[in-house]
Amino acid sequence: QKEVEQNSGPLSVPEGAIASLNCTYSDRGSQSFFWYRQYSGKSPELIMFIYSNGDKEDGRFTAQLNKASQYVSLLIRDSQPSDSATYLCAARTNAGNMLTFGGGTRLMVKP
Amino acid sequence: DTAVSQTPKYLVTQMGNDKSIKCEQNLGHDTMYWYKQDSKKFLKIMFSYNNKELIINETVPNRFSPKSPDKAHLNLHINSLELGDSAVYFCASNPANTGELFFGEGSRLTVL
Repeated sequence: QKEVEQNSGPLSVPEGAIASLNCTYSDRGSQSFFWYRQYSGKSPELIMFIYSNGDKEDGRFTAQLNKASQYVSLLIRDSQPSDSATYLCAARTNAGNMLTFGGGTRLMVKP
Repeated sequence: DTAVSQTPKYLVTQMGNDKSIKCEQNLGHDTMYWYKQDSKKFLKIMFSYNNKELIINETVPNRFSPKSPDKAHLNLHINSLELGDSAVYFCASNPANTGELFFGEGSRLTVL
C-alpha cells in the first residue's frame, strides 16, 4: 500500500522559533511532493511543492527532499501564532494525477 | 466568487438515509475529486473524474456513487448511510498534470 506518514503531533514551538515538520513516503515512484496547510474547520491550501532533491525556499518556508531516504520536510522560520494549523504532506506519482496524503502534523506556535 | 463550491456545508441525518453533496468548479479544470477526511484528519481520495470520465475509484463501498454531468460538476450520492460515513467530504479540482488541488470548503456529514 502506498503510504505517506507524518507524526500527528502536536508540535509546539515558541513564537520566532523554527518549526520542523517531517514526512516519509513508501512509494519510490513518487516524483513530486506537496505541503498543504489546513486551519481548523477550513479546507487545505497549498503552501509549497518540491520535485528535486535538496532545498527549495519560499519566504519563511523551506521544503527539503531526499529521495534516497524517501523523506520530505518543511521548515518554517520565525514561526508566528498564525502558522498554527495542521500541515499535510502529499506525494504524487507521474503515473497518475492522484495525491496521497499523510495524516498531517498539528503545529502550535505559542506567543 | 468561489472557485470550488460544494453544498450543503453541513448535513445531519439518520442511519439508513440517502444524501447527496454537490460540487461545482469555475476554474476550467478538467479533473475533479472527492476526498474524505475523518476525525483523525486523514484525507483519503475516493474518486477522480477527468472531463466527466471516472479515472480513479478507490476502495469505497458501492453505496457511494459519484456523478459528473459535465466537467465543471461532480456530485456525490450516498445510499444507506452508516455511522462510519460521518466525516468531512471535500471536493477538489486541479489543472492537468499538477499537484495543486483547489479544495471546496468541505461538507461535514454527521450520521446519527
